[in-house]
Amino acid sequence: DAKTTQPTSMDCAEGRAANLPCNHSTISGNEYVYWYRQIHSQGPQYIIHGLKNNETNEMASLIITEDRKSSTLILPHATLRDTAVYYCIVRVGGYSGAGSYQLTFGKGTKLSVIP
Amino acid sequence: GAGVSQSPRYKVAKRGQDVALRCDPISGHVSLFWYQQALGQGPEFLTYFQNEAQLDKSGLPSDRFFAERPEGSVSTLKIQRTQQEDSAVYLCASSSNRGGRNEQYFGPGTRLTVT
Repeated sequence: DAKTTQPTSMDCAEGRAANLPCNHSTISGNEYVYWYRQIHSQGPQYIIHGLKNNETNEMASLIITEDRKSSTLILPHATLRDTAVYYCIVRVGGYSGAGSYQLTFGKGTKLSVIP
Repeated sequence: GAGVSQSPRYKVAKRGQDVALRCDPISGHVSLFWYQQALGQGPEFLTYFQNEAQLDKSGLPSDRFFAERPEGSVSTLKIQRTQQEDSAVYLCASSSNRGGRNEQYFGPGTRLTVT
Protein backbone atom coordinates (compact mmCIF):
# COMPACT_ATOMS: atom_id res chain seq x y z
CA ASP A 1 0.00 0.00 0.00
CA ALA A 2 1.13 3.52 -0.72
CA LYS A 3 2.53 5.60 2.12
CA THR A 4 0.73 8.71 3.38
CA THR A 5 2.02 11.86 5.04
CA GLN A 6 -0.09 13.91 7.44
CA PRO A 7 0.65 16.81 9.79
CA THR A 8 1.17 15.69 13.35
CA SER A 9 -1.41 18.02 14.84
CA MET A 10 -3.91 20.75 14.01
CA ASP A 11 -6.26 23.05 15.91
CA CYS A 12 -9.67 24.19 14.75
CA ALA A 13 -12.16 26.59 16.34
CA GLU A 14 -15.51 25.09 17.23
CA GLY A 15 -18.09 25.74 14.50
CA ARG A 16 -15.48 26.34 11.81
CA ALA A 17 -14.53 23.97 9.03
CA ALA A 18 -11.64 21.61 9.76
CA ASN A 19 -9.50 20.85 6.72
CA LEU A 20 -7.14 17.91 7.20
CA PRO A 21 -4.55 17.37 4.46
CA CYS A 22 -2.92 14.14 3.36
CA ASN A 23 -0.17 13.50 0.83
CA HIS A 24 -0.05 10.17 -1.01
CA SER A 25 2.21 10.84 -3.97
CA THR A 26 2.91 7.14 -4.68
CA ILE A 27 -0.75 6.11 -4.87
CA SER A 28 -1.53 3.47 -7.52
CA GLY A 29 -4.42 3.53 -9.94
CA ASN A 30 -6.43 0.91 -8.06
CA GLU A 31 -5.88 2.36 -4.60
CA TYR A 32 -8.54 4.28 -2.73
CA VAL A 33 -8.09 6.95 -0.07
CA TYR A 34 -9.75 6.02 3.23
CA TRP A 35 -10.19 8.19 6.30
CA TYR A 36 -10.72 6.88 9.81
CA ARG A 37 -10.66 8.68 13.12
CA GLN A 38 -10.01 7.52 16.65
CA ILE A 39 -11.50 9.31 19.59
CA HIS A 40 -9.63 8.82 22.84
CA SER A 41 -10.10 5.34 24.33
CA GLN A 42 -12.28 4.15 21.46
CA GLY A 43 -11.66 2.01 18.40
CA PRO A 44 -11.11 3.69 15.03
CA GLN A 45 -14.24 4.85 13.21
CA TYR A 46 -14.70 4.82 9.44
CA ILE A 47 -15.42 8.27 7.99
CA ILE A 48 -15.30 8.22 4.20
CA HIS A 49 -13.36 6.90 1.23
CA GLY A 50 -12.91 7.76 -2.45
CA LEU A 51 -11.04 6.85 -5.61
CA LYS A 52 -10.82 10.00 -7.71
CA ASN A 53 -14.10 11.87 -7.44
CA ASN A 54 -14.92 14.07 -4.50
CA GLU A 55 -17.16 12.35 -1.97
CA THR A 56 -19.55 13.61 0.69
CA ASN A 57 -21.51 11.87 3.39
CA GLU A 58 -23.20 12.85 6.62
CA MET A 59 -19.89 13.05 8.45
CA ALA A 60 -17.48 14.75 6.06
CA SER A 61 -16.35 15.62 2.55
CA LEU A 62 -13.31 14.22 0.79
CA ILE A 63 -11.56 16.27 -1.86
CA ILE A 64 -9.02 14.42 -4.00
CA THR A 65 -6.73 16.34 -6.34
CA GLU A 66 -6.87 15.56 -10.04
CA ASP A 67 -3.47 13.86 -10.00
CA ARG A 68 -4.60 11.91 -6.87
CA LYS A 69 -1.37 12.68 -5.09
CA SER A 70 -3.08 14.44 -2.22
CA SER A 71 -6.46 14.80 -0.57
CA THR A 72 -8.25 16.85 2.07
CA LEU A 73 -10.83 15.70 4.58
CA ILE A 74 -13.28 18.44 5.45
CA LEU A 75 -15.42 18.50 8.58
CA PRO A 76 -17.77 21.38 7.70
CA HIS A 77 -18.70 22.51 11.22
CA ALA A 78 -16.31 21.08 13.76
CA THR A 79 -17.62 20.33 17.24
CA LEU A 80 -15.79 19.41 20.42
CA ARG A 81 -16.75 15.78 19.77
CA ASP A 82 -14.65 15.84 16.60
CA THR A 83 -11.47 16.06 18.67
CA ALA A 84 -9.64 12.87 17.66
CA VAL A 85 -6.71 11.41 15.75
CA TYR A 86 -7.51 11.31 12.03
CA TYR A 87 -5.86 8.67 9.86
CA CYS A 88 -5.50 8.88 6.08
CA ILE A 89 -4.95 5.42 4.60
CA VAL A 90 -4.38 4.34 1.02
CA ARG A 91 -5.21 0.81 -0.02
CA VAL A 92 -6.89 -1.32 -2.65
CA GLY A 93 -10.62 -0.79 -2.49
CA GLY A 94 -13.61 -2.98 -3.28
CA TYR A 95 -13.57 -6.67 -2.54
CA SER A 96 -12.43 -9.39 -4.87
CA GLY A 97 -12.74 -12.25 -2.42
CA ALA A 98 -9.05 -12.88 -2.33
CA GLY A 99 -6.26 -11.64 -0.17
CA SER A 100 -6.24 -9.52 2.92
CA TYR A 101 -7.49 -6.00 3.21
CA GLN A 102 -5.83 -4.87 6.34
CA LEU A 103 -5.45 -1.18 7.03
CA THR A 104 -1.97 0.27 7.43
CA PHE A 105 -2.24 3.12 9.91
CA GLY A 106 0.40 5.82 10.26
CA LYS A 107 0.49 8.22 13.19
CA GLY A 108 -2.35 10.38 11.88
CA THR A 109 -3.21 13.99 12.65
CA LYS A 110 -4.32 14.88 16.13
CA LEU A 111 -7.15 17.39 15.65
CA SER A 112 -8.04 19.53 18.63
CA VAL A 113 -11.30 21.47 18.39
CA ILE A 114 -11.08 24.56 20.56
CA PRO A 115 -14.18 26.10 22.20
CA GLY B 1 -27.78 -1.94 15.69
CA ALA B 2 -25.12 -3.84 17.60
CA GLY B 3 -21.57 -3.04 16.71
CA VAL B 4 -18.40 -5.01 17.26
CA SER B 5 -17.97 -5.97 20.88
CA GLN B 6 -14.85 -7.10 22.68
CA SER B 7 -14.28 -8.63 26.07
CA PRO B 8 -12.82 -8.13 28.51
CA ARG B 9 -12.34 -4.38 28.10
CA TYR B 10 -9.37 -4.45 30.48
CA LYS B 11 -7.07 -7.31 31.39
CA VAL B 12 -4.13 -7.34 33.76
CA ALA B 13 -1.88 -10.37 33.51
CA LYS B 14 1.25 -11.36 35.32
CA ARG B 15 4.22 -12.03 33.09
CA GLY B 16 4.10 -15.62 31.91
CA GLN B 17 0.33 -16.02 32.13
CA ASP B 18 -1.84 -16.96 29.16
CA VAL B 19 -4.68 -14.65 28.12
CA ALA B 20 -7.67 -14.98 25.78
CA LEU B 21 -9.34 -11.98 24.20
CA ARG B 22 -12.76 -12.29 22.62
CA CYS B 23 -14.29 -10.49 19.65
CA ASP B 24 -17.94 -10.57 18.60
CA PRO B 25 -18.15 -9.10 15.09
CA ILE B 26 -21.20 -7.52 13.52
CA SER B 27 -23.61 -10.31 12.58
CA GLY B 28 -23.09 -11.53 9.04
CA HIS B 29 -19.71 -9.86 8.55
CA VAL B 30 -17.43 -12.15 6.57
CA SER B 31 -14.08 -10.55 7.33
CA LEU B 32 -12.54 -10.16 10.76
CA PHE B 33 -9.27 -8.45 11.62
CA TRP B 34 -7.15 -8.16 14.75
CA TYR B 35 -4.87 -5.17 15.34
CA GLN B 36 -2.46 -4.25 18.11
CA GLN B 37 -2.10 -0.63 19.21
CA ALA B 38 0.81 0.42 21.39
CA LEU B 39 0.55 3.63 23.39
CA GLY B 40 0.82 6.69 21.14
CA GLN B 41 0.95 4.67 17.94
CA GLY B 42 -1.53 3.78 15.23
CA PRO B 43 -3.02 0.28 15.16
CA GLU B 44 -0.89 -2.43 13.55
CA PHE B 45 -2.32 -5.42 11.71
CA LEU B 46 -2.02 -8.83 13.32
CA THR B 47 -4.22 -11.29 11.45
CA TYR B 48 -7.23 -11.65 9.13
CA PHE B 49 -10.06 -14.16 8.80
CA GLN B 50 -12.49 -14.67 5.97
CA ASN B 51 -15.28 -16.66 7.57
CA GLU B 52 -13.48 -19.40 9.53
CA ALA B 53 -10.35 -19.38 7.38
CA GLN B 54 -7.32 -17.52 8.65
CA LEU B 55 -5.99 -16.13 5.39
CA ASP B 56 -3.26 -13.85 6.70
CA LYS B 57 -1.33 -14.08 9.95
CA SER B 58 1.72 -12.20 8.81
CA GLY B 59 1.38 -9.56 11.51
CA LEU B 60 1.46 -11.89 14.51
CA PRO B 61 4.66 -10.90 16.35
CA SER B 62 5.61 -14.36 17.61
CA ASP B 63 4.40 -17.92 17.90
CA ARG B 64 3.02 -17.02 21.32
CA PHE B 65 0.15 -15.32 19.51
CA PHE B 66 -2.65 -17.48 18.18
CA ALA B 67 -6.07 -16.56 16.78
CA GLU B 68 -9.07 -18.63 15.84
CA ARG B 69 -12.57 -18.19 14.47
CA PRO B 70 -13.89 -21.75 14.38
CA GLU B 71 -17.48 -21.08 13.27
CA GLY B 72 -16.86 -17.98 11.22
CA SER B 73 -18.35 -15.66 13.80
CA VAL B 74 -16.77 -15.07 17.21
CA SER B 75 -12.99 -14.88 17.27
CA THR B 76 -10.48 -15.37 20.07
CA LEU B 77 -6.95 -13.99 20.20
CA LYS B 78 -4.79 -15.98 22.58
CA ILE B 79 -1.43 -14.88 23.89
CA GLN B 80 0.66 -17.48 25.66
CA ARG B 81 3.35 -16.75 28.25
CA THR B 82 2.67 -13.01 28.15
CA GLN B 83 5.59 -10.60 28.18
CA GLN B 84 5.69 -6.93 29.14
CA GLU B 85 6.06 -5.92 25.50
CA ASP B 86 2.64 -7.46 24.85
CA SER B 87 1.03 -4.62 26.81
CA ALA B 88 -1.17 -2.79 24.31
CA VAL B 89 -4.75 -2.29 23.18
CA TYR B 90 -5.98 -5.16 21.02
CA LEU B 91 -8.59 -4.09 18.49
CA CYS B 92 -10.95 -6.25 16.50
CA ALA B 93 -12.66 -5.09 13.31
CA SER B 94 -15.15 -6.67 10.93
CA SER B 95 -16.41 -5.89 7.44
CA SER B 96 -19.23 -7.22 5.32
CA ASN B 97 -17.61 -7.21 1.85
CA ARG B 98 -21.07 -6.98 0.31
CA GLY B 99 -21.40 -4.84 -2.77
CA GLY B 100 -17.66 -4.35 -2.84
CA ARG B 101 -17.76 -2.41 0.40
CA ASN B 102 -14.97 -3.25 2.78
CA GLU B 103 -14.86 -0.46 5.30
CA GLN B 104 -13.97 -1.91 8.66
CA TYR B 105 -15.96 -1.43 11.85
CA PHE B 106 -13.92 -1.54 15.01
CA GLY B 107 -14.69 -2.64 18.52
CA PRO B 108 -13.66 -0.64 21.59
CA GLY B 109 -10.57 -2.76 22.15
CA THR B 110 -9.15 -4.74 25.05
CA ARG B 111 -6.42 -3.00 27.01
CA LEU B 112 -3.90 -5.61 28.12
CA THR B 113 -1.40 -4.73 30.82
CA VAL B 114 1.31 -7.25 31.61
CA THR B 115 2.99 -6.72 34.98
